[in-house]
Amino acid sequence: DTAVSQTPKYLVTQMGNDKSIKCEQNLGHDTMYWYKQDSKKFLKIMFSYNNKELIINETVPNRFSPKSPDKAHLNLHINSLELGDSAVYFCASSQVQGAPGNTIYFGEGSWLTVV
Amino acid sequence: DAKTTQPNSMESNEEEPVHLPCNHSTISGTDYIHWYRQLPSQGPEYVIHGLTSNVNNRMASLAIAEDRKSSTLILHRATLRDAAVYYCISSGNTPLVFGKGTRLSVIA
Repeated sequence: DTAVSQTPKYLVTQMGNDKSIKCEQNLGHDTMYWYKQDSKKFLKIMFSYNNKELIINETVPNRFSPKSPDKAHLNLHINSLELGDSAVYFCASSQVQGAPGNTIYFGEGSWLTVV
Repeated sequence: DAKTTQPNSMESNEEEPVHLPCNHSTISGTDYIHWYRQLPSQGPEYVIHGLTSNVNNRMASLAIAEDRKSSTLILHRATLRDAAVYYCISSGNTPLVFGKGTRLSVIA
């Protein structure tokens, strides 16, 4: 069983479109995250949710709107896609936000290409 | 979170041990040292973490200096499947902040 699964794995779309990436974890974790890895391979935190509540929003544009229907799911919706949004988006989860020594489990990534 | 410094890249021969260094001179007393790795086209995966004592698991060993200002990830026998970017993170809590990491190449 995949611990953190995200769909779709690959997404090619035109500028201006709206798209969503779904994420589910079956680890029973309370906290979920979205990270973005750009073309230079830097991995940056975007959002952190704890028990469906937004904890961290790292100055991400308003066009990005995470939604957590329950603590096992954290979806990422992106409006009005721009060329600069092309990146790999990783969903992740951990047991408790802020706990020292926490291990983060990552999904396999969603490769978004905006043309 | 303490800043970490790692070499950009390292190379190893297959089936030889690999020592990946990390400096975290500004680490605080409650910061853990985490190691993750990212295989090509995959998400980062947990390798090992520790606070003060050396740690061993099935993937690797973590040797932490007595003053905790540096640590070394040890892969006992590198295989081609160990070729990846290895991230050393010094942090007191999640979410973890990733640096550039060390790109490890393994030569057959």
